[in-house]
Amino acid sequence: DAMVIQNPRYQVTQFGKPVTLSCSQTLNHNVMYWYQQKSSQAPKLLFHYYDKDFNNEADTPDNFQSRRPNTSFCFLDIRSPGLGDAAMYLCATSAASNQPQHFGDGTRLSIL
Amino acid sequence: GQNIDQPTEMTATEGAIVQINCTYQTSGFNGLFWYQQHAGEAPTFLSYNVLDGLEEKGRFSSFLSRSKGYSYLLLKELQMKDSASYLCAVRDNYGQNFVFGPGTRLSVLP
Repeated sequence: DAMVIQNPRYQVTQFGKPVTLSCSQTLNHNVMYWYQQKSSQAPKLLFHYYDKDFNNEADTPDNFQSRRPNTSFCFLDIRSPGLGDAAMYLCATSAASNQPQHFGDGTRLSIL
Repeated sequence: GQNIDQPTEMTATEGAIVQINCTYQTSGFNGLFWYQQHAGEAPTFLSYNVLDGLEEKGRFSSFLSRSKGYSYLLLKELQMKDSASYLCAVRDNYGQNFVFGPGTRLSVLP
């Protein structure tokens, strides 16, 4: 049974058209993360929530926003996607910040 | 700043043993994780070290030396399905920053 679920698996959007990626979890974990991973590169942390506390990485572009309306759900909003934002976006959860992270299958975003 | 290094690629033979190294320089240290990632899939957790020494989990073992800023992942009795990228990730002292290394792409040959 999938414990970290990302929808959709593949997303296509147009240059400059806002897009939202979603993540849900059944683990009741406090911490949720969003990563961007480009081809042949390591995942890069964009931001994470510890419960409701939002933590933005210093080099995450302002174009990327996130919402966590409750424990189970977290959203990644890209306000004006550029061609350079085409990537795999991974959501992960952990029970605490020093615990292993459990990843969803990712959403592969393409920009036309 | 944070800096994590891993070899880019490695090749090994089915049934053999391979050691994948990871060196790190981070502002504080609060644990090192190893993940396996098959192409097009999400990373899956393999092991966690926070104290010096060896952690063994079946065919996989991971070692940590905090004084040297060094870890390795040891894979025994290699199988074809072990062909994947292996990512070393470090959490900093405050537990807020979690940084992945560039990953090592392992190819297991028959």
